[in-house]
Amino acid sequence: GIQVEQSPPDLILQEGANSTLRCNFSDSVNNLQWFHQNPWGQLINLFYIPSGTKQNGRLSATTVATERYSLLYISSSQTTDSGVYFCAVESGGSNYKLTFGKGTLLTVNP
Amino acid sequence: GAGVSQSPSNKVTEKGKDVELRCDPISGHTALYWYRQRLGQGLEFLIYFQGNSAPDKSGLPSDRFSAERTGESVSTLTIQRTQQEDSAVYLCASRAEPGGGETQYFGPGTRLLVL
Repeated sequence: GIQVEQSPPDLILQEGANSTLRCNFSDSVNNLQWFHQNPWGQLINLFYIPSGTKQNGRLSATTVATERYSLLYISSSQTTDSGVYFCAVESGGSNYKLTFGKGTLLTVNP
Repeated sequence: GAGVSQSPSNKVTEKGKDVELRCDPISGHTALYWYRQRLGQGLEFLIYFQGNSAPDKSGLPSDRFSAERTGESVSTLTIQRTQQEDSAVYLCASRAEPGGGETQYFGPGTRLLVL
């Protein structure tokens, strides 16, 4: 099946810093989603981005489908950005399931 | 409803007991998924329901796991004779359309602890 690798596995920032999270995948995809899992475990949809670039406030994402990677940018980080960021891809097949990476654990210190 | 809901939010059980977890998808969503998240890991696919079609059970880890869904409404995931390795967060997701290329929306999960 498709492989999804995220980097870095852990990231510690000071409040106000910028960061880039990366997601590499091993096959073509129909769907790519970025999620933020908050400390209470809730998965929050950040972006649906199988290709192209999107922005939402301090967050933006770019997926280059032909090169099989996606980037999530966080600017002017805040302590509330802390948590785990997951990339998940859907690569076809009859069930359209999402395959998740192992996530990036982001800690933003005040 | 406004989002996917799940119950209970937490469940503690003894090894060997059966548990039942519930998922209410977003109204009108035809596709429903169950995933499992072990501590410190990403999510693993368990089962997929699409309308009245036969479910895709290819992710279920053993025959102790089963799930049902009535039409396009509530789904229940049942784990029989629970084992300690079943301890995890069980998340449900729904999607508006059949087929691929659409956003999946996740519920808050049920945290299961098997003692």
